[in-house]
Amino acid sequence: QKEVEQNSGPLSVPEGAIASLNCTYSDRGSQSFFWYRQYSGKSPELIMFIYSNGDKEDGRFTAQLNKASQYVSLLIRDSQPSDSATYLCAVNGAGGFKTIFGAGTRLFVKA
Amino acid sequence: GAGVSQSPSNKVTEKGKDVELRCDPISGHTALYWYRQSLGQGLEFLIYFQGNSAPDKSGLPSDRFSAERTGGSVSTLTIQRTQQEDSAVYLCASSPSGGPYDTQYFGPGTRLTVL
Repeated sequence: QKEVEQNSGPLSVPEGAIASLNCTYSDRGSQSFFWYRQYSGKSPELIMFIYSNGDKEDGRFTAQLNKASQYVSLLIRDSQPSDSATYLCAVNGAGGFKTIFGAGTRLFVKA
Repeated sequence: GAGVSQSPSNKVTEKGKDVELRCDPISGHTALYWYRQSLGQGLEFLIYFQGNSAPDKSGLPSDRFSAERTGGSVSTLTIQRTQQEDSAVYLCASSPSGGPYDTQYFGPGTRLTVL
């Protein structure tokens, strides 16, 4: 079992719709969870982070964490073509410093 | 302020040659990470430096790979006797303290092609 798993996609949504990206992780002791966005040929950049169970909202983005289910998700409301990118889920384990990245989900937002 | 910088941006080498990749972290950041990203894949952790502590080398794929960080700042990743499977983008990131809640800031990467 991979430590951090994501559906590779591609996930295709129409402009204005909600995009839902999911991630599961294997280390129950994981402390912090991050979503990075990576445009083609570019480096990852942080979108959201979440540490506690529940929802965290930032503009059009909402991160959701359920530690009991070892599940973290990212919702993008009012999706825009500029949101088309690969979204990487990243998890810091119980050790704290070693970040494990998922393989990423490719999102396409159709105009 | 200046972000993480890496050099060279592209490196083409022949199989069996040694290569050195350089990373300059954000000033003041004590933690530095190296990752490898193969085409269409996620980020593979290679090595982590935090201050003056011994680095975590658990992600290095073989003894052909080594890294050092001088003066707590610049880091060099060295790959000896390169193989074609080493071809990938090598990304460096830094963070303020290396703790579990830190955001990592990535450099632009070095694209390594081994012929």
